[in-house]
Amino acid sequence: DAMVIQNPRYQVTQFGKPVTLSCSQTLNHNVMYWYQQKSSQAPKLLFHYYDKDFNNEADTPDNFQSRRPNTSFCFLDIRSPGLGDAAMYLCATRGRTGAYEQYFGPGTRLTVT
Amino acid sequence: AQSVTQPDIHITVSEGASLELRCNYSYGATPYLFWYVQSPGQGLQLLLKYFSGDTLVQGIKGFEAEFKRSQSSFNLRKPSVHWSDAAEYFCAVVETGGGNKLTFGTGTQLKVEL
Repeated sequence: DAMVIQNPRYQVTQFGKPVTLSCSQTLNHNVMYWYQQKSSQAPKLLFHYYDKDFNNEADTPDNFQSRRPNTSFCFLDIRSPGLGDAAMYLCATRGRTGAYEQYFGPGTRLTVT
Repeated sequence: AQSVTQPDIHITVSEGASLELRCNYSYGATPYLFWYVQSPGQGLQLLLKYFSGDTLVQGIKGFEAEFKRSQSSFNLRKPSVHWSDAAEYFCAVVETGGGNKLTFGTGTQLKVEL
C-alpha cells in the first residue's frame, strides 16, 4: 500500500544534541509537510516543500531545518533541541493536482532529556 | 485569515449512541473542509472531505458530515458510536494557494463509555 513512513517512531535525545527525524513516502506526492504537535494541541506547521522549493513558516525557530534530497524522502533536523521541543512530529504529503487533502505518517515522538 | 472553531474540547457518549461533533469555520471563499481522526500516539487519518457539490458527504468508518454555508458549519456525525471510535477529532480548512496549508481546529477528544 502507498503510504507515508516515519522513522524512528520514538526518539530520545539529550538537551542540545542534534537529532534528525526521517520521513519517506511511496505516494509520489510532490508536496511534503512537517508539523509539530504538542500534547492536546492541534498540529502546527513548521515548513513544507513544493517539489524542491522550501517554504518556511514565519514563526518556525531557526533551530529547525529540513532537507529533501529526492521526491521520496524528507528530513527534519533539530540542531540544538531544548526541553520545549519535546513533541510529536508529523510528516504529511499532498499530490499535485486538484487534491487538497494531506496524508499523514504515524509520527515520531521526540523526548528531550 | 481563515480559522476553525471546535467548541467542544471533550465529549463523552455511550457506545451505540449517536454522535455529532461541531465545527465552525471562517473563510472568505468557498472552503475546502476536512475531518481527521487521531488515535493516541498515531498520525492523523482522513475521515472525509468537502470540496463542492452535495453538502452531505460520506466518509470512512461510518462517519458523515454536512456542510452548511449559512451557518459556516461542517459538523461530523455518526449514527451509532463504537468503542473503537474513541480518539481525537480535528476539523480543518485548507488555504488555497501558497502551499495549500491546513488550518486545524483545536480538536475534540471523544470518549466512549461501554
